[in-house]
Amino acid sequence: AQTVTQSQPEMSVQEAETVTLSCTYDTSESDYYLFWYKQPPSRQMILVIRQEAYKQQNATENRFSVNFQKAAKSFSLKISDSQLGDAAMYFCAYSHLRDDKIIFGKGTRLHILP
Amino acid sequence: NAGVTQTPKFRVLKTGQSMTLLCAQDMNHEYMYWYRQDPGMGLRLIHYSVGEGTTAKGEVPDGYNVSRLKKQNFLLGLESAAPSQTSVYFCASSYSVVRGYTFGSGTRLTVV
Repeated sequence: AQTVTQSQPEMSVQEAETVTLSCTYDTSESDYYLFWYKQPPSRQMILVIRQEAYKQQNATENRFSVNFQKAAKSFSLKISDSQLGDAAMYFCAYSHLRDDKIIFGKGTRLHILP
Repeated sequence: NAGVTQTPKFRVLKTGQSMTLLCAQDMNHEYMYWYRQDPGMGLRLIHYSVGEGTTAKGEVPDGYNVSRLKKQNFLLGLESAAPSQTSVYFCASSYSVVRGYTFGSGTRLTVV
């Protein structure tokens, strides 16, 4: 069975600094998709970034980028120039091409220090 | 465009009571899901549906039932609420799972 592991329950970063959130996953599939979701205090789940496993180029969305290491089954999220609004719970997630659902990690709570 | 709407947003139940959570989406999505979120446990799938009239069990289905009589609605029922069902419940929908989900804003349920 596929699993998603986020080994850092909580992290803190100084405002304007860069932070990297870790995620590893376990799968025997070759065609799959990875996601990072953000859950701010409002509780709303927001898709931050998405990566297709067949693409070698790392996905980026403004200040958010990923480091996708397929052989290592690693999918970390880098947030540059951290802002107070980045404070949230971040979930790493996985789905493969033939599946009907997404599997989520347990989350990393990110604190931004002013 | 409302997206995914969950009702109610908050509810307190007594042990043994029943209730239904409603999820409605206006995006014509085939796939719909119910997850629960508990501290330190992430999001766990309760039940899901791949189309009107279909339902399937997820990771933690016990104590819950679902129905998808109309494509736009997905109902989650608790027949006899237990304190262990105290949680935040999220509904999500998707056109294509590999593109990710659109989530509702969640329902905080407390069972006393």
